[in-house]
Amino acid sequence: EVQLVESGGGLVQPGGSLRLSCAVSGLTFSNFWMSWVRQAPGKGLEWVASINQDGSAKYHVDSVKGRFTISRDNAKDSLYLQMNSLRAEDTAVYYCARGHHGLEYWGRGTLVTVSS
Amino acid sequence: EIVMTQSPATLSVSPGERATLSCRASQSVNSNLAWYQQKPGQAPRLLIYGASTRVTGIPARFSGSGSGTEFTLTISSLQSEDFAVYYCQQYNNWPPTTFGQGTRLEIE
Repeated sequence: EVQLVESGGGLVQPGGSLRLSCAVSGLTFSNFWMSWVRQAPGKGLEWVASINQDGSAKYHVDSVKGRFTISRDNAKDSLYLQMNSLRAEDTAVYYCARGHHGLEYWGRGTLVTVSS
Repeated sequence: EIVMTQSPATLSVSPGERATLSCRASQSVNSNLAWYQQKPGQAPRLLIYGASTRVTGIPARFSGSGSGTEFTLTISSLQSEDFAVYYCQQYNNWPPTTFGQGTRLEIE
């Protein structure tokens, strides 16, 4: 069974940092692109970032460029999202997902709240 | 960036009836379009990719059609578990991949 489990969310003040993790099992992690997608409370889905199989190609949505960085550790079957200079508008549930086009497997998400 | 527009925002349909959801792209995305279902408190679930290919395990009552800028998700005979929010997503001009704002399918 494929499982993606996010962690690392929480309450952070504006300007603060968080590092999200996504532990993946049930598939050969190193074979797949991986992505982060977020959903603000009561809102729709927004792609945040994607990374290729070996981590040599990374893409981020414009609104997070220079603040967020996607990375992965294939030895640990884990995906990460380093989030710096957080803003109130970054408040959302953050999902990790397998792929970068059709996203077939998703975690349950981790909530990030940016508030003073 | 390609803008995806879904209509209607809310669709009220009775169980057993057909539901037709629309998605329009601001420019051609060829057939590089996916549909997702999301229930409250859950992650999205991929239903359709390539505009019309059902993911393994998705019931045959779900079908996708269209290409270019106009797409449709049809649910042929609504079951109680189908009432949810549905999103379309283009991945033709990537990055970024972009989602529609969603259609809420509710029980009439």
